[in-house]
Amino acid sequence: NAGVMQNPRHLVRRRGQEARLRCSPMKGHSHVYWYRQLPEEGLKFMVYLQKENIIDESGMPKERFSAEFPKEGPSILRIQQVVRGDSAAYFCASSPTGQPTNEKLFFGSGTQLSVL
Amino acid sequence: QKEVEQDPGPLSVPEGAIVSLNCTYSNSAFQYFMWYRQYSRKGPELLMYTYSSGNKEDGRFTAQVDKSSKYISLFIRDSQPSDSATYLCAVVPFSGGYQKVTFGIGTKLQVIP
Repeated sequence: NAGVMQNPRHLVRRRGQEARLRCSPMKGHSHVYWYRQLPEEGLKFMVYLQKENIIDESGMPKERFSAEFPKEGPSILRIQQVVRGDSAAYFCASSPTGQPTNEKLFFGSGTQLSVL
Repeated sequence: QKEVEQDPGPLSVPEGAIVSLNCTYSNSAFQYFMWYRQYSRKGPELLMYTYSSGNKEDGRFTAQVDKSSKYISLFIRDSQPSDSATYLCAVVPFSGGYQKVTFGIGTKLQVIP
């Protein structure tokens, strides 16, 4: 059973370009979370999605960032018109039910985004 | 004030030492408490999970929660070089019905052979 798969592992973009980060949850998991880890900061919650639904996007910047988790295919975190401050490690996590009762969140290895 | 305060370290100990890692949190709404371990350039992996005050033991690891003082601890006995990693405390509120996890900044631990 493969773990949470994120790609690409490293992504380099110039200022103003778009970044697309992909996350395939573990088999059987229908709940996906995106977190961002900035240098010298902890992991910060961005968004929680179920298939075809955004449940909580309270951690997402209001502009340029969007996320989706379609019925088929991976979850996508999209950052438009990237700026240097977007440089960070972006982690995806998945869980089978989303319930915080003795259930693990499984994290991918992350995508390191570098904005030149 | 951060919701979860954690000393980033780094913490360096000799192999075999007992390691004590700590966090404090500010919001009584947090009801689930976790410790994650993160190796360099990897995603976090769950080590310990508890939702009540008291101790929980798993092998060389013991998690301790004191809700009255909002204090979370992780103890590692007989530390090994393979324990060298960043340890993240994490909390989840009771409400919401999903895992909106708030993490501490993480403490970087190095175990010297």
